Amino acid sequence: DIVMTQTPLSLSVTPGQPASISCKSSQSLLHSDGKTYLYWYLQKPGQPPQLLIYEVSNRFSGVPDRFSGSGSGTDFTLKISRVEAEDVGVYYCMQSIQLPSLTFGGGTKVEIK
Amino acid sequence: QITLKESGPTLVKPTQTLTLTCTFSGFSLSTSGVGVGWIRQPPGKALEWLALIYWDDDKRYSPSLKSRLTITKDTSKNQVVLTMTNMDPVDTATYYCAHDFWSHPFDYWGQGTLVTVSS
Repeated sequence: DIVMTQTPLSLSVTPGQPASISCKSSQSLLHSDGKTYLYWYLQKPGQPPQLLIYEVSNRFSGVPDRFSGSGSGTDFTLKISRVEAEDVGVYYCMQSIQLPSLTFGGGTKVEIK
Repeated sequence: QITLKESGPTLVKPTQTLTLTCTFSGFSLSTSGVGVGWIRQPPGKALEWLALIYWDDDKRYSPSLKSRLTITKDTSKNQVVLTMTNMDPVDTATYYCAHDFWSHPFDYWGQGTLVTVSS
């Protein structure tokens, strides 16, 4: 199984300041089809997760442009350019290159200072 | 508008079989590229993917749980059913179903249903 490791475990951010979350996979997520199967989700308190970013860097419909994803191979980053109060929750990365071994990271909790 | 809703028992006893139903609207499971997946989350813990079923009836299971899981679909009823055998207290979790489509895995989720395993 591909192991997804997120850091940090938690993050406390002042509104308006940037935030960055790292996700490392135990194997490359670059497929022979040229796509990289890495996704980011946000689970707000009391809610189901919501898709933020697909294939490393593409924002899903309706996701604010303060969210951006980058990376390649085994190292990926989610950045929030200016954190807002509504961004609190737990962020998860996920890989799907190795179906049927689809795996999530352990999560990074973001809170507001 | 895509919506999904999970239903099933809130309490099951150890060794029993859990049957969960995902009823959805706003899409068809006969459309090419569409799938429905199940993901669970123990209280206070991370997400764990369980199973996926696609429009063409292709089925995928988490290797660690494959022997206990069965996923089926009823396209006419817009439902996907997940069964999990031999339930154990460690299976206590919120179970989510989610829409899957090509490059947008799990782009829409149900609200989840909490299943507690206890005697």
